[in-house]
Amino acid sequence: GNSVTQMEGPVTLSEEAFLTINCTYTATGYPSLFWYVQYPGEGLQLLLKATKADDKGSNKGFEATYRKETTSFHLEKGSVQVSDSAVYFCALTSNQAGTALIFGKGTTLSVSS
Amino acid sequence: EPEVTQTPSHQVTQMGQEVILRCVPISNHLYFYWYRQILGQKVEFLVSFYNNEISEKSEIFDDQFSVERPDGSNFTLKIRSTKLEDSAMYFCASTYREVSTEAFFGQGTRLTVV
Repeated sequence: GNSVTQMEGPVTLSEEAFLTINCTYTATGYPSLFWYVQYPGEGLQLLLKATKADDKGSNKGFEATYRKETTSFHLEKGSVQVSDSAVYFCALTSNQAGTALIFGKGTTLSVSS
Repeated sequence: EPEVTQTPSHQVTQMGQEVILRCVPISNHLYFYWYRQILGQKVEFLVSFYNNEISEKSEIFDDQFSVERPDGSNFTLKIRSTKLEDSAMYFCASTYREVSTEAFFGQGTRLTVV
């Protein structure tokens, strides 16, 4: 079945450090890939997405590239801010309308000034 | 900006009681979902709903659970005979159409079964 594996946290960084959160997936066919973010006390928000191989999703300085050859979708940011502190979830869904998101376990990022 | 709203934000219930969690999806969305997140664990899919019927459900979504869209705006999750292990954050989500369309999530209902 479909699954997502992402690196265990927590990840603790200083402001302006480089961030990488690894995500790999197992899926049949050609899934769409997502990163969702959950700020403290809030619901999940879409951060970025990619729907086909070699697509790069980007938003708010975060980037992730859909790598079919390595079945990966690693999240990166060149310079993190305190306000980026949150839980980050990698997710996928198969390309059929209405099907569910399959989430990874989430990685907690804590950025200090 | 349109948003998914969930009520209540926190519900405490006695073991064995029935609870109904309520959601108002975004008005022009067609697909509706329930997910849950047990504390410290991953977000898990429960059920998806389209055209007034369940389109997909997970192994978690057994006979204890049911969903309903009683009118044109609300989408509810009913949990019968709650158990301690049902304690979790329950998220409602909706999407417009295609799977790659962004799923909008509500802020969640924290269910505590005592």
